[in-house]
Amino acid sequence: KAGVTQTPRYLIKTRGQQVTLSCSPISGHRSVSWYQQTPGQGLQFLFEYFSETQRNKGNFPGRFSGRQFSNSRSEMNVSTLELGDSALYLCASSLAGSSYNSPLHFGNGTRLTVT
Amino acid sequence: GENVEQHPSTLSVQEGDSAVIKCTYSDSASNYFPWYKQELGKGPQLIIDIRSNVGEKKDQRIAVTLNKTAKHFSLHITETQPEDSAVYFCAASEGGSYIPTFGRGTSLIVHP
Repeated sequence: KAGVTQTPRYLIKTRGQQVTLSCSPISGHRSVSWYQQTPGQGLQFLFEYFSETQRNKGNFPGRFSGRQFSNSRSEMNVSTLELGDSALYLCASSLAGSSYNSPLHFGNGTRLTVT
Repeated sequence: GENVEQHPSTLSVQEGDSAVIKCTYSDSASNYFPWYKQELGKGPQLIIDIRSNVGEKKDQRIAVTLNKTAKHFSLHITETQPEDSAVYFCAASEGGSYIPTFGRGTSLIVHP
């Protein structure tokens, strides 16, 4: 079974630009979560989608948004990039549905650098 | 909300030694405790998990113990090998939540 696929692996953007990251979950997984990982803050939860609906949201500004398509693939968008947005962005899928507490399966992330 | 504390932040051991990483959580309703291993350049991968109705779980050289009364759980790695070198994250899920809260991570270094 193919794992979680994130594209692109690396991105370099300039302050003020916007960026879109893509995630393809494991086949059959309907929940997709996004995390921001930085050395100082660890793994910070951004949002989680299930069946095309945002089910949970972390404490990030509105510049961070996401969506999920009918095939469970997900995208996240960051507008008006700031230097502090430089991080590894991780996507994770799970079987979580009515039965929660399913393990997360992470992709290898997209490394975003804002200059 | 849930708060997970993880210690130590860095752990250095000699090959063949044991390694122990400890986490505490704050929400007594948490009932699922996974551990993830993150190697350089990769995303975290689940290595073992435990649910609140079990006190201990083993998988070859790794084991996890859970003390619900004290609200802490630990990862034990025996006979460490250089390939065990990675960052390890603990996490806890509140009852009714789909989102785990992660600890800050432990960088384990195994010296040959």
